Amino acid sequence: NAGVTQTPKFQVLKTGQSMTLQCAQDMNHNSMYWYRQDPGMGLRLIYYSASEGTTDKGEVPNGYNVSRLNKREFSLRLESAAPSQTSVYFCASSGTGGASGELFFGEGSRLTVL
Amino acid sequence: AQSVTQLGSHVSVSEGALVLLRCNYSSSVPPYLFWYVQYPNQGLQLLLKYTSAATLVKGINGFEAEFKKSETSFHLTKPSAHMSDAAEYFCAVTLLTGGFKTIFGAGTRLFVKA
Repeated sequence: NAGVTQTPKFQVLKTGQSMTLQCAQDMNHNSMYWYRQDPGMGLRLIYYSASEGTTDKGEVPNGYNVSRLNKREFSLRLESAAPSQTSVYFCASSGTGGASGELFFGEGSRLTVL
Repeated sequence: AQSVTQLGSHVSVSEGALVLLRCNYSSSVPPYLFWYVQYPNQGLQLLLKYTSAATLVKGINGFEAEFKKSETSFHLTKPSAHMSDAAEYFCAVTLLTGGFKTIFGAGTRLFVKA
């Protein structure tokens, strides 16, 4: 059972380049999330999708866009990367409808912007 | 607005000693509360969760946490630390609004000395 799968695991970009982080889950979860993790700041929510067809901003959405392609997949796009976006990005999913709200995480994508 | 405060970015204990990691939250309604653990170069995994069924919650690996509404606290404890407990621990609050939006504390890194 793969759970939550993120690609790529590592990426180096130059300032101004664009890229898309891919995320897929095989647990039939309705909700999916993108977080970034920076030292001393914990995890901060970038965007989330409560269900297929909906997306909402989290705490730090500036500079990012998302697409909920279908129930399984939720991608994060950086249109013009900046050094401040150097971080570790985590995708997560959770069930709804009486579930506890527990998040299931991918292994992370480490992005460096030069 | 929801927020989560973890007291102490680093905690160091000796093997066999009590582990106490502190978490306070602010919430206008009873929340779902969680502790997650992150081992190096991995995603987060659930340690335990509070969902109003019982104030003392037992989790994996001998950890437990007590919900104290009067103190708005959800501290994590383990009677006897093991070397394998060395990791980063995150307290989190989940709102049951439109997809279980989860807010994380900044994290506490636990060091265990032999």
